[in-house]
Amino acid sequence: LAKTTQPISMDSYEGQEVNITCSHNNIATNDYITWYQQFPSQGPRFIIQGYKTKVTNEVASLFIPADRKSSTLSLPRVSLSDTAVYYCLVGEKGGATNKLIFGTGTLLAVQP
Amino acid sequence: GAVVSQHPSWVICKSGTSVKIECRSLDFQATTMFWYRQFPKQSLMLMATSNEGSKATYEQGVEKDKFLINHASLTLSTLTVTSAHPEDSSFYICSASDSLNAPRNIQYFGAGTRLSVL
Repeated sequence: LAKTTQPISMDSYEGQEVNITCSHNNIATNDYITWYQQFPSQGPRFIIQGYKTKVTNEVASLFIPADRKSSTLSLPRVSLSDTAVYYCLVGEKGGATNKLIFGTGTLLAVQP
Repeated sequence: GAVVSQHPSWVICKSGTSVKIECRSLDFQATTMFWYRQFPKQSLMLMATSNEGSKATYEQGVEKDKFLINHASLTLSTLTVTSAHPEDSSFYICSASDSLNAPRNIQYFGAGTRLSVL
């Protein structure tokens, strides 16, 4: 199975927009793309989910191209409290059932 | 809404003992629950998936006799690490979804359990 990959880390400053990408070449046809935020020693927290095109909620936007082999989480105007690890979660094609795979995770460090 | 409680948050035990971790959905029916394991600075690795009233489906490489999963009700799943050894020390996280009634199967996660086996 192809890995679901993300950049290891990103740096940003308060007030900037941050875009985090996830590559998922083997995504299953009928599965959604979900993004989570995780702080140290805590469980992941749901951010946003989408299937195609663009989805926006009160905290983020999610951009998904037509081929769905990647997705981009966009965080507008980040603050220090957005420093965390961000994961994408997709279902990958694999045998009789799709396999849920977390991305490798991106550590976002927001500086003042 | 969509709160998942996991208990205990951390546990220290002696090698050879068994440890039980509980995962509860507090305000929704968790028709499907998932158990993950996470090592430091690594991503979450799915251990098993359980549907209420059915036997858990374990991922390749996960010993079902060592990691016993019970999902007897729509709000509770337990993971028992039997005869724990130091290599079982890790961060265990559960998640739950209402796969029957909620679209898109969004998983809601517990806070995790830090297991240290001496």
